[in-house]
Amino acid sequence: QKEVEQNSGPLSVPEGAIASLNCTYSDRGSQSFFWYRQYSGKSPELIMFIYSNGDKEDGRFTAQLNKASQYVSLLIRDSQPSDSATYLCAVSLTDSWGKLQFGAGTQVVVTP
Amino acid sequence: GAVVSQHPSRVICKSGTSVKIECRSLDFQATTMFWYRQFPKQSLMLMATSNEGSKATYEQGVEKDKFLINHASLTLSTLTVTSAHPEDSSFYICSARDRRDGSNQPQHFGDGTRLSIL
Repeated sequence: QKEVEQNSGPLSVPEGAIASLNCTYSDRGSQSFFWYRQYSGKSPELIMFIYSNGDKEDGRFTAQLNKASQYVSLLIRDSQPSDSATYLCAVSLTDSWGKLQFGAGTQVVVTP
Repeated sequence: GAVVSQHPSRVICKSGTSVKIECRSLDFQATTMFWYRQFPKQSLMLMATSNEGSKATYEQGVEKDKFLINHASLTLSTLTVTSAHPEDSSFYICSARDRRDGSNQPQHFGDGTRLSIL
């Protein structure tokens, strides 16, 4: 059974601080990794995706990937109340083109 | 670009009714679309993979006779929940892959359909 694991939270973060979200996955052959943000009652929206080991930065967001450790993370700098949401980690599956497996999500609460 | 339109956004109907949900790629062609279901406080669970012009591939535990999927064109896939019951109440979300994209590219998600069966 291939799995994607996330800490469910809630992760409480003071406004302006850094939020750090972690995700581990079991499928060693996975090549693509995605972070989605989902507000309550809404569809997920893509924050970032990463393919290569190392860091990838986009504005206040940084994704980090370590394939050897089967670990991907997301950092949110200068957290804002609007960042309060559930963050879903998704991993591409090697056994089927394009299919994603989602983690359960980490709820982030940014407190003013 | 890469807009996926899902309709309707919300459905409330009586038990035993069949409900059709449409998923359209508005500005790209999608050979592959995916249907997900999300129960409250849970993550997205893939129900099936819809390929244009061929039968859908269902995930383990998903009843193909209950959830009918049709992907008749490169821009439209439909999910029909047949004889819906209260336990089918959920948030149904589709996503689509641009046929021009490589397998590493993100899927594009619709806004979801909240289905409530009374």
